[in-house]
Amino acid sequence: DAGVIQSPRHEVTEMGQEVTLRCKPISGHNSLFWYRQTMMRGLELLIYFNNNVPIDDSGMPEDRFSAKMPNASFSTLKIQPSEPRDSAVYFCASCIVGVRDTQYFGPGTRLTVL
Amino acid sequence: GEDVEQSLFLSVREGDSSVINCTYTDSSSTYLYWYKQEPGAGLQLLTYIFSNMDMKQDQRLTVLLNKKDKHLSLRIADTQTGDSAIYFCAESKEDYKLSFGAGTTVTVRA
Repeated sequence: DAGVIQSPRHEVTEMGQEVTLRCKPISGHNSLFWYRQTMMRGLELLIYFNNNVPIDDSGMPEDRFSAKMPNASFSTLKIQPSEPRDSAVYFCASCIVGVRDTQYFGPGTRLTVL
Repeated sequence: GEDVEQSLFLSVREGDSSVINCTYTDSSSTYLYWYKQEPGAGLQLLTYIFSNMDMKQDQRLTVLLNKKDKHLSLRIADTQTGDSAIYFCAESKEDYKLSFGAGTTVTVRA
């Protein structure tokens, strides 16, 4: 299995631009998570999908952030407009909730907003 | 404060054992996890322990769980330079949420 796939691995953009991060979970997993990692705040859960439905988006910082999961094999996290304080590493993880809730992480997208 | 607490740094000599400690708060956590993050990489699941176990051994890794004290530890035997990384302790909450510690940076010196 290829594991969780994220793209791009690195993104540099200017303040005000739209940023879209992509994730392909492990085949057969029914749950997907988006996390943000910063030095100041550590790992924060942004949003959790189960069977493609957003279950918990309480961690999404503000309306500039949105996430979708149109099917079981693809999810996006969009930031519009981006701000310098959004600079972080964004991780996607997937698991089979209800069987064994062990989350497997992708390699992350390092986002820099200038 | 943090739900999961870890010491921030550990320095160990190559060949010695490393012990990374963690305390957590939720006594109803079903699983407790150790993840490893190497520079520029994602989190790699190292091992996990079910809450009704006291110990789990997997090659050079030994996990000890003290439920009474809500204390979890990870011992790495014969620590190698490739073990230099950040190690995260995590507890499962609400069936899907993982609460992570801040991470312990392990530096292996020759």
